[in-house]
This record gives sequence, structure tokens and C-alpha cells, in this order.
Amino acid sequence: EAGVAQSPRYKIIEKRQSVAFWCNPISGHATLYWYQQILGQGPKLLIQFQNNGVVDDSQLPKDRFSAERLKGVDSTLKIQPAKLEDSAVYLCASSHPGGRLFFGSGTQLSVL
Amino acid sequence: GQQLNQSPQSMFIQEGEDVSMNCTSSSIFNTWLWYKQDPGEGPVLLIALYKAGELTSNGRLTAQFGITRKDSFLNISASIPSDVGIYFCAGQLLTGNQFYFGTGTSLTVIP
Repeated sequence: EAGVAQSPRYKIIEKRQSVAFWCNPISGHATLYWYQQILGQGPKLLIQFQNNGVVDDSQLPKDRFSAERLKGVDSTLKIQPAKLEDSAVYLCASSHPGGRLFFGSGTQLSVL
Repeated sequence: GQQLNQSPQSMFIQEGEDVSMNCTSSSIFNTWLWYKQDPGEGPVLLIALYKAGELTSNGRLTAQFGITRKDSFLNISASIPSDVGIYFCAGQLLTGNQFYFGTGTSLTVIP
């Protein structure tokens, strides 16, 4: 069974530029999550989708972050414009409702 | 978001020693998960716990779901160099599907 796929693996941008990350969850997993992990910390939930609907985006900085999951499968997370403090690893995860959470390898973002 | 307190923050042990770490919360969770994360990689699921009091093993790893449902414990027996990494707990609330993560325990195994 294929795992959670994410791309790109690394991205370096300058502040005020925009960036997008892509995620393809495990086949059949209805729930998709985006987490932000700052160096030395645990993952912090940004947004959770159930199929193509948003379940929780209470910690998403909506003035600069957006995410979509139009067809209920893959998802994109965008930052526009990026700030220095957005430097982090962005992790995508998926699960069955009430099931175990599986992560992709993440995208390491450096904002200069 | 929910705050999960994980301890210890870091551990330095000799190869062959046993390791214990724990995770506590002020909230009640219905699921506890334990993950290991290597540098540059996403967290990898080690053990999942679904019932209060449940004790589950995965090789040299054993985890327990606390009776109060507000804590969980992970033990690693006879540590080896490849156990090096950061261990995270994650809890899922009774309501909703959100998973909240602990602050992590960094494990260093000295050969």
C-alpha cells in the first residue's frame, strides 16, 4: 500500500514570495491533515479535511495560508506572502475516521 | 489547541539500557498514538492505543493507555543505536478527529 505522498521535499524562497505544497493521501483515507512543525517542536495542526470539506482550520493563519481539497483526494497548501517565521516542515497526514494517523515525509521550507 | 506535556525532554542512555517516557494532558483522550521521527523525515507510527488501561507491545516497545485517559507511557527495552530519534505522543479527543501532539522526547543512545 502506497503511503502519503508529498512534494516538493525542500523549498527555499525569499520572504513575501508565495509557495505551494502538494499532498496525496493514502488511498481511501477520507481525512487529510496539514501540520506545521517548527524545529524542536511537535507538529501543530493547521487544517483538517473530511473528504473535501474543512473540519477544523482554527489554527490556520488565514491572512496568508490557504488550503484546498477540491475532489476529496489530493490537497494543496499555499502560503502567500511568506514570512520568515513560516520556516518549518509542513507535514501532510491522512487517516480513516477514528483511525490511525499516517504521515508523509514532509516539505522543508526555508524563508530567507 | 490542546497541550500535551511530554517528559523527559531529552535522554542520553547507554546501549542496552531501558527507556521510559510519558505524556500527560489536562483533557481526556480516546486514542493515544506514539511516533518516532528521524531527521528530515515525517513521524512514523509505532503503537496505537484505544482503551484505558490497554498495554500494547511492538517488538522492544511497550506502550500503555493511562487509566485516567489523560496520560500514556512508552517504554523501550534493551535500547540499540537505531532507537536514536525524537519520540512524539499524540492524542485524539473524544469529540472530533483532531490529533494533538506532545513536545517530543529526544533520545540519544551511546554505543
